[in-house]
Amino acid sequence: EVQLVESGGGLVQPGGSLRLSCAASGFTFSTLWMSWVRQAPGKGLEWVANIKGDGTEIYYADSVKGRFAISRDNAKNSLYLQMNSLRVDDTAVYYCTTDEWHGIFPSWGQGTRVTVSS
Amino acid sequence: EIVLTQSPATLSLSPGERATLSCGASQSVRNNYLAWYQQKPGLAPRLLISAASTRATGIPDRFSGSGSGTDFTLTISRVEPEDFAVYYCQQYGNSKTFGQGTKVEIK
Repeated sequence: EVQLVESGGGLVQPGGSLRLSCAASGFTFSTLWMSWVRQAPGKGLEWVANIKGDGTEIYYADSVKGRFAISRDNAKNSLYLQMNSLRVDDTAVYYCTTDEWHGIFPSWGQGTRVTVSS
Repeated sequence: EIVLTQSPATLSLSPGERATLSCGASQSVRNNYLAWYQQKPGLAPRLLISAASTRATGIPDRFSGSGSGTDFTLTISRVEPEDFAVYYCQQYGNSKTFGQGTKVEIK
């Protein structure tokens, strides 16, 4: 059974940084694209970034380009999201997802909450 | 960026009724790469449909997807109590974007 467990969320001031982690199990992690998807309080879903299984291709939403960095460690079955220059509108629950068949999200973690506030 | 517009914003139904949710795209979705998700309060979304009409593993056959190009539909043939939730469409033909959601609530 696929399991994705996010961690690293919390309260941070505007302009600060945070690193999210996602521990994966139940599948061959290194073979799958992975994504981060976020959801602001009471709002809809927004795709943030994704990374190919071997880490050689990475894409970002325009809203986070230049501020966020996605990475992975296949030896540790882990996905990361380094978030810098955080803004109030980055406040959201961040989900780690598998990214399959050109861009659908079949498996999701439980999410980790990031709050950017002074 | 492809903008997806879902309608209606809220659908009020009684159990056993048919639900018809619409998703319109600002431009044609390549290869009909359109998915639908269900989200219940406090939980992560769940994939229902991909490629406009292919049910995901374990999804009951009362859920069906249809459409092509810029107009897509999710139909729940007879709404069960566990189906009251928010539904999102997502296109993955050109990057990935989501609609704003349709809430299916108990009438």
